[in-house]
Amino acid sequence: DGGITQSPKYLFRKEGQNVTLSCEQNLNHDAMYWYRQDPGQGLRLIYYSQIVNDFQKGDIAEGYSVSREKKESFPLTVTSAQKNPTAFYLCASSTRDYRYNEQFFGPGTRLTVL
Amino acid sequence: GQQVMQIPQYQHVQEGEDFTTYCNSSTTLSNIQWYKQRPGGHPVFLIQLVKSGEVKKQKRLTFQFGEAKKNSSLHITATQTTDVGTYFCAGNVQGGSEKLVFGKGTKLTVNP
Repeated sequence: DGGITQSPKYLFRKEGQNVTLSCEQNLNHDAMYWYRQDPGQGLRLIYYSQIVNDFQKGDIAEGYSVSREKKESFPLTVTSAQKNPTAFYLCASSTRDYRYNEQFFGPGTRLTVL
Repeated sequence: GQQVMQIPQYQHVQEGEDFTTYCNSSTTLSNIQWYKQRPGGHPVFLIQLVKSGEVKKQKRLTFQFGEAKKNSSLHITATQTTDVGTYFCAGNVQGGSEKLVFGKGTKLTVNP
């Protein structure tokens, strides 16, 4: 059953703690993305990776870090430096061919920092 | 920076009425994609348009890509309560990076 998974679905953390969100895909996609969505807002790109061991900052990378050690996995760490971390985090993957690069999204992780 | 503007931000209709959302880019796009996000869910890909002036239909949904490849629209005929959600457009900037640029979305509510 091919797809993209994120865990956990809900996550609660205390202020000042780092937290890592998981994203795994078995679609054999080269590209993976992390977005942040706030209530009533669109999707803001945090980081993206087009190939293993390489990634680029998106529009709101400050306070976040990522790694891409395996093609299937693209974990996102929300650090204590992120000032407003409470949000809905979405991971996505796609091919790199712009003719077929629709993004497949995971179910998302709702992070609440108390 | 590269921007994709989407209007309106919100649209409330009576069931059976038509609905249209518009997407405008400041630069020429290689493609335009449309996604739907149901309340509490994640975005789901609907369709991609690549050619200038292209029109595609999916049942009651009609998608258009402008001649200049800078604008697009999604039209829903005779809305149903199942159409509720937020509709996003997204595109790759021609000659730009491989990342998609998303519009902020149009949230559609349908009154039964």
